[in-house]
Amino acid sequence: RKEVEQDPGPFNVPEGATVAFNCTYSNSASQSFFWYRQDCRKEPKLLMSVYSSGNEDGRFTAQLNRASQYISLLIRDSKLSDSATYLCVLDTGNQFYFGTGTSLTVIP
Amino acid sequence: DTEVTQTPKHLVMGMTNKKSLKCEQHMGHRAMYWYKQKAKKPPELMFVYSYEKLSINESVPSRFSPECPNSSLLNLHLHALQPEDSALYLCASSQDRSRANQPQHFGDGTRLSIL
Repeated sequence: RKEVEQDPGPFNVPEGATVAFNCTYSNSASQSFFWYRQDCRKEPKLLMSVYSSGNEDGRFTAQLNRASQYISLLIRDSKLSDSATYLCVLDTGNQFYFGTGTSLTVIP
Repeated sequence: DTEVTQTPKHLVMGMTNKKSLKCEQHMGHRAMYWYKQKAKKPPELMFVYSYEKLSINESVPSRFSPECPNSSLLNLHLHALQPEDSALYLCASSQDRSRANQPQHFGDGTRLSIL
């Protein structure tokens, strides 16, 4: 069983839509969680850390559900510039595990 | 602009060549990482250095040899690579491995092609 499972998509949504991604994880000892975005042929860039209480940064909201072992990312009012691959990452304290990435395309 | 600098940006080499990839960060981070990424796949961890010591080697073939000369630098020495080693090689750093919620910061990678 993979450490992290992520729906690869693709998600094609119109501008202004709200879209949500989930990742499930298997290691209950996982300590820290992050969302990264990666544009085509670029490096992953940290979007936000995910805290137990949930956290928001502008149009982006991240949540962690330890009981059900998943994290989520909600994007409101999608912009064309949000088109990218979104990677969930968890840190067990020993190493980082990446989800396979979810591809998002925002359509005009 | 990324705070982790990788050189070269692109590298084309033959299977008998020896080359090195370089990574530098000046954020005072004490953990550094090498990843390999193929198209449409997530990064795959290769090596982790913590306080300049190799702490994780993910069963990487010996034709890849990492080196951490000091806390700011990380090298990856390449020798006798195979065509399937063509990929984007990403370096990352994080503050250290002793505390939670320390994200990794990535360099923009070296795109490697093996002829």
